[in-house]
Amino acid sequence: GAGVSQSPSNKVTEKGKDVELRCDPISGHTALYWYRQSLGQGLEFLIYFQGNSAPDKSGLPSDRFSAERTGGSVSTLTIQRTQQEDSAVYLCASSTQDGSYEQYFGPGTRLTVT
Amino acid sequence: GENVEQHPSTLSVQEGDSAVIKCTYSDSASNYFPWYKQELGKRPQLIIDIRSNVGEKKDQRIAVTLNKTAKHFSLHITETQPEDSAVYFCASRGSNYKLTFGKGTLLTVNP
Repeated sequence: GAGVSQSPSNKVTEKGKDVELRCDPISGHTALYWYRQSLGQGLEFLIYFQGNSAPDKSGLPSDRFSAERTGGSVSTLTIQRTQQEDSAVYLCASSTQDGSYEQYFGPGTRLTVT
Repeated sequence: GENVEQHPSTLSVQEGDSAVIKCTYSDSASNYFPWYKQELGKRPQLIIDIRSNVGEKKDQRIAVTLNKTAKHFSLHITETQPEDSAVYFCASRGSNYKLTFGKGTLLTVNP
C-alpha cells in the first residue's frame, strides 16, 4: 500500500515568509509525528497527533511553529516568519496504536530559508 | 524528559568485520527500542526493534540486546557489507508514544 507522503519535497523561501508543509500518513494510522533533522544531526521531535488532537506539542521550538490535523488524516506544519535557523529537513511519521509501535517515515521536506 | 545517548558518532570497519553501536536511555518507563537506518538523502527505515520484555533479538546479520537494569541497548551487525554503510539511529519510546532519538552513528564499511 501507499506509504507516508510529504509535499513539497523541497522548499526554498525568503526569510520572513510563511511556509506550509504537508503530510499524508498511511491510511488508518491514527498517530502522526513531526520531526526536524538539521544537517548531520539526529531527529528532533516537534509534535505528536493522536487523531486530530495534539497531546504533545512540547517540541515546537517557538510560537512561529504550529501544526494541525484534520479528519484524522492529513497534517500541515506551518512556520511563520521563517528564519535561517529553520532550514532543515522536516520529517513526518505515522503509526498505528494497536500495540505495534513502528513509526513509518515519509521522505521529508527539505526547507531552505535564504 | 527522556534522554538517549548514542556512541560512537562515527564508526569505520572493514568489510566482513562486526560493528557495534551502543545507546543508553534515562527513562525507566521506556518499553520499546527501535533502530533506524538512514541512507544519504533517504528516509529513516526501521531495521530491528526490541521490547522491554525481551533481552535479545536477532534478524539474520543484525541483533539487538537490551539491558533494562543498566538502561542500555546495543546494535550488532555481523559480516558487514558496503551496503550497510549509512547513519544508524537508536530510539526509545516512553509512556507517551514519543520516540526520543540518539544523535546517530555514521557507519562506513570499507571494501
